[in-house]
Amino acid sequence: EAQVTQNPRYLITVTGKKLTVTCSQNMNHEYMSWYRQDPGLGLRQIYYSMNVEVTDKGDVPEGYKVSRKEKRNFPLILESPSPNQTSLYFCASTSIAGVLGEQFFGPGTRLTVL
Amino acid sequence: RKEVEQDPGPFNVPEGATVAFNCTYSNSASQSFFWYRQDCRKEPKLLMSVYSSGNEDGRFTAQLNRASQYISLLIRDSKLSDSATYLCVVKADSNYQLIWGAGTKLIIKP
Repeated sequence: EAQVTQNPRYLITVTGKKLTVTCSQNMNHEYMSWYRQDPGLGLRQIYYSMNVEVTDKGDVPEGYKVSRKEKRNFPLILESPSPNQTSLYFCASTSIAGVLGEQFFGPGTRLTVL
Repeated sequence: RKEVEQDPGPFNVPEGATVAFNCTYSNSASQSFFWYRQDCRKEPKLLMSVYSSGNEDGRFTAQLNRASQYISLLIRDSKLSDSATYLCVVKADSNYQLIWGAGTKLIIKP
């Protein structure tokens, strides 16, 4: 089954404790991205990657890191989480052969930073 | 001004009615447009792309008005299962970023 998986689905942590949210896709997509979704603000892109070892900042990259060592995986790293990073996070992937319209999303990770 | 704006709603609509909502965008260079559907606390899923000439998919019709810089979504014969948040997405061909609206919440009532 074609899918994007994220782990963990729910996470409560404390300020400053490094964490990683994993994202994996099995569709051989070149393009992967991370979003955060906050009430009233819609989806905002954090980072995206056009292919292995190619990453770029989105609209809200501060406080986040990513890596793309393999095509299928695109982990999101919060080196020192802060309460303003409490949000719902989505990973998405798509083929760049098209116009990036159909992004396939993971189920989301609900992060709370105390 | 936000790059992509939507009326947050909620739109409360009786089952069987027709409902329409718009999405305005500020970047006149925008070239690709999409509607996504998001159920509560779930991931967004593509509903339909929006083509220059307008397009229809069953009960759903999408329109693009470049002169006024907005896209619209019309739902005919609404069903209870249409209750969701509808997200407007815009892409400028100059980059690979998608700009998302905050969504319009639709509630279909029996």
